[in-house]
Amino acid sequence: GNSVTQMEGPVTLSEEAFLTINCTYTATGYPSLFWYVQYPGEGLQLLLKATKADDKGSNKGFEATYRKETTSFHLEKGSVQVSDSAVYFCALSDRGSGGGADGLTFGKGTHLIIQP
Amino acid sequence: EPEVTQTPSHQVTQMGQEVILRCVPISNHLYFYWYRQILGQKVEFLVSFYNNEISEKSEIFDDQFSVERPDGSNFTLKIRSTKLEDSAMYFCASRQEDETQYFGPGTRLLVL
Repeated sequence: GNSVTQMEGPVTLSEEAFLTINCTYTATGYPSLFWYVQYPGEGLQLLLKATKADDKGSNKGFEATYRKETTSFHLEKGSVQVSDSAVYFCALSDRGSGGGADGLTFGKGTHLIIQP
Repeated sequence: EPEVTQTPSHQVTQMGQEVILRCVPISNHLYFYWYRQILGQKVEFLVSFYNNEISEKSEIFDDQFSVERPDGSNFTLKIRSTKLEDSAMYFCASRQEDETQYFGPGTRLLVL
């Protein structure tokens, strides 16, 4: 079956540090990949996505590249801010690639804490 | 910007009681979903709904659960007889034809 593995948190960084949150996946087809973010007390918000190999998703200074050869979709940001403190979820959907599953498969989430 | 809304934000219920969680998906979306997140665990898919019927459900979605789209705007999740282990955050999501799902803020359910 499908699965998503994320690095365990919490990840604590100082403001302006470089961020990487690792995400790897297993899937039956060629999935679409997503990063969602959950700010304290709020729901899941789509941060970025990529639908095929070598695509790069980007938003709000965050980037992730779909690497088929390493089955990875690591999230990066060059200079984090206190306002980036949140829980980040990596997810996949293989509905469009013949895998058939309609629901998203999520990782466990990584809690990011940015200190001033 | 259109968004998915959910009510109530919090619900406390006694074990064995029925609960109905409500969602209003984005108005031009056609596919609807429920997920749950038990505290400290990953977000898990429960069910997807399209064209007034369930299109897929997970093994979590047993006979105690049901979904309904009673009118043109609401999408509900009913738990017939709640158990302690149903305590979780429940998220509704919707999408158009592409794969991007948009999530609501969630309903935190506590079963005592």
